[in-house]
Amino acid sequence: DVKVTQSSRYLVKRTGEKVFLECVQDMDHENMFWYRQDPGLGLRLIYFSYDVKMKEKGDIPEGYSVSREKKERFSLILESASTNQTSMYLCASRGASGVYNEQFFGPGTRLTVL
Amino acid sequence: GDSVTQMEGPVTLSEEAFLTINCTYTATGYPSLFWYVQYPGEGLQLLLKATKADDKGSNKGFEATYRKETTSFHLEKGSVQVSDSAVYFCALTRGNYGQNFVFGPGTRLSVLP
Repeated sequence: DVKVTQSSRYLVKRTGEKVFLECVQDMDHENMFWYRQDPGLGLRLIYFSYDVKMKEKGDIPEGYSVSREKKERFSLILESASTNQTSMYLCASRGASGVYNEQFFGPGTRLTVL
Repeated sequence: GDSVTQMEGPVTLSEEAFLTINCTYTATGYPSLFWYVQYPGEGLQLLLKATKADDKGSNKGFEATYRKETTSFHLEKGSVQVSDSAVYFCALTRGNYGQNFVFGPGTRLSVLP
């Protein structure tokens, strides 16, 4: 079974802190994604990566950065957390690009910024 | 740009009722279409998918047919169970290589015993 794990299920941080969210997949997938999930808005793509050290902005990249130093690991970084970044963060991975392949999701990290 | 519209929730049904959750989309090219389900406290799981027009995806009693003429991918189940209570997301691939997804806002389903 494909497994996507995220470093924390729940996280509480203070405004201005630097926050790291880690995601690891065990299926040798090329593509990895970070989304945030908010009520009524569904999932919105923050960043994705199609290869090691490669990244592309999604729909809402402002206030976030990412790092992909190894194929299996994709990190989301909040340089200076703000209260409007309180949300559920979901990581996903996917095999080689193509319209047929699904994404596999981790369990999510619920981040609260105080 | 590409987008997905789903019916507003929440949807509340009695056990064994018939379920329809509407999904329509706007897309360039020929996307694949997906339904994902999110159970409480969990990430999203793939429920079913369809990769071309007139394809029918099915899984666990759920079905959806890719209708290009109406740009729709409605989710149906003939008899829902309490265990089907979850949030359902319609999604499509976008980009020249289908490299990432667009998700709808989700529809929360509650099934009462």
